[in-house]
Amino acid sequence: KAGVTQTPRYLIKTRGQQVTLSCSPISGHRSVSWYQQTPGQGLQFLFEYFSETQRNKGNFPGRFSGRQFSNSRSEMNVSTLELGDSALYLCASSWAGTDTQYFGPGTRLTVL
Amino acid sequence: LAKTTQPISMDSYEGQEVNITCSHNNIATNDYITWYQQFPSQGPRFIIQGYKTKVTNEVASLFIPADRKSSTLSLPRVSLSDTAVYYCLVGDIRPNAGNMLTFGGGTRLMVKP
Repeated sequence: KAGVTQTPRYLIKTRGQQVTLSCSPISGHRSVSWYQQTPGQGLQFLFEYFSETQRNKGNFPGRFSGRQFSNSRSEMNVSTLELGDSALYLCASSWAGTDTQYFGPGTRLTVL
Repeated sequence: LAKTTQPISMDSYEGQEVNITCSHNNIATNDYITWYQQFPSQGPRFIIQGYKTKVTNEVASLFIPADRKSSTLSLPRVSLSDTAVYYCLVGDIRPNAGNMLTFGGGTRLMVKP
């Protein structure tokens, strides 16, 4: 069974731009969660989507948003990029959200 | 959400057993304890999960005392490839709770030859 895929794998943007990251969950998984990982803050929870609805949200500004489509694929958008948004963005999927999270390889975003 | 505390780093040698202890003093009745492993530039990978007593799978064992205020991940006979960051998480796994897994700083395990 195919794992979680994330595109693109690497991205370079400049301050003020916006970016959209994509995540395709494991087939049959309805929950998709997003995390930001930086050397200073570690792995931080951004939000979780389940059946196209945002069910849980971490402590991030409104510049970070997401959505989930009917096929459970999810996108995450960051607007007005800041240097501090440079990070590894990880997507994880699971059946119900509270069971085992299967992580993708991540998207490495660099903001210049 | 229950907060977890674990050592920042540990060193070991190949072939040794490694025990990483996690403290979670305010664990709730419905919370389970889950451990993940992460290699550099990769997403975390599930290792083991338990509620109480002892759980064992093909890669690790998880020991949870009766009061559940701590847990110990045991890795038997580690190899160089076990060098990674290990995260202890505590959370409600009932389906309606949704995911809000909070990863702490993790324990950076270095296995030396």
